[in-house]
Amino acid sequence: AQSVTQLDSQVPVFEEAPVELRCNYSSSVSVYLFWYVQYPNQGLQLLLKYLSGSTLVKGINGFEAEFNKSQTSFHLRKPSVHISDTAEYFCAVSAYGGGTSYGKLTFGQGTILTVHP
Amino acid sequence: DGGITQSPKYLFRKEGQNVTLSCEQNLNHDAMYWYRQDPGQGLRLIYYSQIVNDFQKGDIAEGYSVSREKKESFPLTVTSAQKNPTAFYLCASSSAGTRTIYEQYFGPGTRLTVT
Repeated sequence: AQSVTQLDSQVPVFEEAPVELRCNYSSSVSVYLFWYVQYPNQGLQLLLKYLSGSTLVKGINGFEAEFNKSQTSFHLRKPSVHISDTAEYFCAVSAYGGGTSYGKLTFGQGTILTVHP
Repeated sequence: DGGITQSPKYLFRKEGQNVTLSCEQNLNHDAMYWYRQDPGQGLRLIYYSQIVNDFQKGDIAEGYSVSREKKESFPLTVTSAQKNPTAFYLCASSSAGTRTIYEQYFGPGTRLTVT
């Protein structure tokens, strides 16, 4: 089984400042990693994903994340945030064990990013 | 436009009543999922289906039931046995495969309030 821990439940930041949302995971097998964003009362939208290859992954809206296997982390970063980035962000993992895979995702508890003017 | 629709957006029911949440997708995806979202708990998987006429329990299936009679549709019934049904329910779909993971696309959600 795998688990995901998002280390901060809330992150306040001023507009144009950099931000990092932290995500650690635990798994006994290789994993795929995802970051999703959720605006109030809406569904989730995929920001970026790591499946293989380069450990630095770039996503939409200027976000990027770095996969660190030794630290089992997948932190999300943005060098300069905007008011419109205010939302809840979810880190998710899916274990890949070969054979049949149903793409089940395990989500973290979420981090609410609030960007202040 | 392709996507996932969930209806209604807001749903109110009295305690003891069963209620069915609709989820339809036109993305031609084989796999579909139901999640429950509660504040501070992230998303928890209720049921998922890899193919028509087949589905599996997720982590919190008790008090819920599903059917998958058509590829496009995956309705969720919240039964009176569900002890705390008030929550935000999200439906998702994805391609299905045995060699890789496909991203999940989410619907807009249904907020269920039971009093």
